[in-house]
Amino acid sequence: SQTIHQWPATLVQPVGSPLSLECTVEGTSNPNLYWYRQAAGRGLQLLFYSVGIGQISSEVPQNLSASRPQDRQFILSSKKLLLSDSGFYLCAWSRRDRTNEKLFFGSGTQLSVL
Amino acid sequence: ELKVEQNPLFLSMQEGKNYTIYCNYSTTSDRLYWYRQDPGKSLESLFVLLSNGAVKQEGRLMASLDTKARLSTLHITAAVHDLSATYFCAGDSGTYKYIFGTGTRLKVLA
Repeated sequence: SQTIHQWPATLVQPVGSPLSLECTVEGTSNPNLYWYRQAAGRGLQLLFYSVGIGQISSEVPQNLSASRPQDRQFILSSKKLLLSDSGFYLCAWSRRDRTNEKLFFGSGTQLSVL
Repeated sequence: ELKVEQNPLFLSMQEGKNYTIYCNYSTTSDRLYWYRQDPGKSLESLFVLLSNGAVKQEGRLMASLDTKARLSTLHITAAVHDLSATYFCAGDSGTYKYIFGTGTRLKVLA
């Protein structure tokens, strides 16, 4: 069966510090990978998605970046965090061939920038 | 660009009552999805609607899709407290991008 791992679960970082959130998927190959952010009490904002190694599509221009160094690994980074980067970050995957028609989400990272 | 809107944003209802959450989307969406999120938790898939007229039911929840009206509904029958959560709909325009609505925060009162 497929599983998605996302860590850390909670992170408190000072403004201006770097960020690295990691997500890995097991039990499948060639997944589509996604990063979403959810501000407190708000909906989900698509940040990045990837349909293959090294292929990253950015939806929101800001101080975040994403990389996909391996087929089942997706990393969200920032060189300098802003207060507005606080939120709940969710990694997700879907099948490339779309035979199973939904997103599978990780458990999320609650990021607080102080 | 696909946009997804939900209403209401907040819903407080008594146990045993029925209600419907609406999800409108702006352009063609190949599929329509419903998710549930409990406070502080991740999202759990509820329904995937693949074609016009699709109807799916699980327990007290029933979802339907009208692609001509670009509308999906999530109907709650005889609500119970355990259904209290935030419900999201999401569309997929066929470009691997899943766009979510703003969510409906449901509170079922005893």
